[in-house]
Amino acid sequence: SQTIHQWPATLVQPVGSPLSLECTVEGTSNPNLYWYRQAAGRGLQLLFYSVGIGQISSEVPQNLSASRPQDRQFILSSKKLLLSDSGFYLCAWSVGWDREQFFGPGTRLTVL
Amino acid sequence: GESVGLHLPTLSVQEGDNSIINCAYSNSASDYFIWYKQESGKGPQFIIDIRSNMDKRQGQRVTVLLNKTVKHLSLQIAATQPGDSAVYFCAENAGGTSYGKLTFGQGTILTVHP
Repeated sequence: SQTIHQWPATLVQPVGSPLSLECTVEGTSNPNLYWYRQAAGRGLQLLFYSVGIGQISSEVPQNLSASRPQDRQFILSSKKLLLSDSGFYLCAWSVGWDREQFFGPGTRLTVL
Repeated sequence: GESVGLHLPTLSVQEGDNSIINCAYSNSASDYFIWYKQESGKGPQFIIDIRSNMDKRQGQRVTVLLNKTVKHLSLQIAATQPGDSAVYFCAENAGGTSYGKLTFGQGTILTVHP
């Protein structure tokens, strides 16, 4: 069966510090991968998606970047965090464009 | 632009009652819809999906209805249980060149009282 992992689960970082969040998927090959951000009490905003290794598409201009160094690994990064980067970050995968997406457990990021 | 929204931000029901959560969408090109359940501090969990060539789909204790004429989606939960308490999101996929991008609604908080 397929599983998706995210770490860390929680993170508190000072403004201006770098960020690296990792997401890995097991049990499937060549998945579509997604990064979402969820503000408190809100819906999910798509940040990045990837259809393959090294292929990243950005949905919104922001202080973040994404990379996919391996087929089942998706990384969310920032060189300098802003207060507005605080939120709940979710990674998801799907087997195709028109299929359901499965979400990881999320990372709660607080920027102080 | 396209958007997916919910009519009711909160819903409180008694255990054993049936629950209905509604969702409106604005993109007539959307051809795939999903309902997710999200418990506090966790990632969304897939509940059920429906494609635009259907108007009803049933799962275990859940039914999704799609009315393309009025661009409305609903999730019915039968015999609601306290464990069903969560935030429920609808999401739409416009297909085509949207590359599987889901647009999520704001969510409805379902509270089930024992």
